[in-house]
Amino acid sequence: RKEVEQDPGPFNVPEGATVAFNCTYSNSASQSFFWYRQDCRKEPKLLMSVYSSGNEDGRFTAQLNRASQYISLLIRDSKLSDSATYLCVVNDYKLSFGAGTTVTVRA
Amino acid sequence: GAVVSQHPSWVICKSGTSVKIECRSLDFQATTMFWYRQFPKQSLMLMATSNEGSKATYEQGVEKDKFLINHASLTLSTLTVTSAHPEDSSFYICSSKIRQGYEQYFGPGTRLTVT
Repeated sequence: RKEVEQDPGPFNVPEGATVAFNCTYSNSASQSFFWYRQDCRKEPKLLMSVYSSGNEDGRFTAQLNRASQYISLLIRDSKLSDSATYLCVVNDYKLSFGAGTTVTVRA
Repeated sequence: GAVVSQHPSWVICKSGTSVKIECRSLDFQATTMFWYRQFPKQSLMLMATSNEGSKATYEQGVEKDKFLINHASLTLSTLTVTSAHPEDSSFYICSSKIRQGYEQYFGPGTRLTVT
């Protein structure tokens, strides 16, 4: 089983829509989680950390479900600029990356 | 946020040659640098962790004699792909960690194509 698994998508949504996707992780002892964004042929950029109580940053909301070992990302009021691949990252002694979920927002 | 640079941003080389990639932390001292590789439509895979002044720690399955890492200063780490082959063609990304922090800052990546 992979350490971090994501639905690759793609999720094709119209502008203004809400899109949400999950990521599962295998190590029940993992404590630290992140969502990164990666544009085509670019390096990953930190989008947000994921806290136990869930957290929100503008239009983005991240949730952690320890019992089921998954984290989620929800994007509200999607913008064209949100089109990217979203990487789920688990920080144990190293960063373990999921393969990414591709989101395409259309006009 | 902190800035990490990589050079070159892309390189094409012939099979059998060696390629050196530099990773620099521009505005902070990085005690630890990480080297990743990413194949198309796959996740970033950690290749090795380099600590300034000591030998790099390689992940399982990564050949240390093929991927030479030198972390000679607090702002520079280099990855040399020796005797490159077409299967080494990939996107190589480095990241740095600030001394007291845990957040990693990624370089812009180097796209290596071996013909």
